[in-house]
Amino acid sequence: GESVGLHLPTLSVQEGDNSIINCAYSNSASDYFIWYKQESGKGPQFIIDIRSNMDKRQGQRVTVLLNKTVKHLSLQIAATQPGDSAVYFCAETGASNTGKLIFGQGTTLQVKP
Amino acid sequence: GAGVSQTPSNKVTEKGKYVELRCDPISGHTALYWYRQSLGQGPEFLIYFQGTGAADDSGLPNDRFFAVRPEGSVSTLKIQRTERGDSAVYLCASSPRMGGNTGELFFGEGSRLTVL
Repeated sequence: GESVGLHLPTLSVQEGDNSIINCAYSNSASDYFIWYKQESGKGPQFIIDIRSNMDKRQGQRVTVLLNKTVKHLSLQIAATQPGDSAVYFCAETGASNTGKLIFGQGTTLQVKP
Repeated sequence: GAGVSQTPSNKVTEKGKYVELRCDPISGHTALYWYRQSLGQGPEFLIYFQGTGAADDSGLPNDRFFAVRPEGSVSTLKIQRTERGDSAVYLCASSPRMGGNTGELFFGEGSRLTVL
């Protein structure tokens, strides 16, 4: 079935270091991928997205890499800050054309001062 | 308002009771989604509306769950005969999505349901 998973449940980094959060997806039909950040008690917040015809996209301090060959997605956060501490979810469209997103389990990012 | 609004933010009920959760999407967004998020898990899809109609309800776990969007804006998720396993955060999201293009979903802060 369709599934999206993350390799590590918790990632701990030092403030100022770069963070890399990984995600594996299973559905090769997915054409859109998105990273969300969720702080405690809040809804998921958009970080960055990428379509399947791209392999890299950059935002402010964040970069998403897509490797369709091995069905792998990663989120890189440069110069990680305490405010980046949250749970990060990757999501994919799967085989659906309704726009619904299938979420992974999430990685908790802890930033140590 | 500027974002997706969900009420109530917290709901505690007893097993067997009926609950309604409301979602007010971003003005003009035609697509509306309900998700359920259990502790330590990612959001799970429940149902998707395009306008007034439920275009995909494949995620509803059973017939105790029902959702409506009668005027194509506000949506209500209804849960009958609640069970303890229904305890979760119910998230609503909206999107300006039209014509089959996939894009970002804008989430509300969720309604936390606790069934005792």
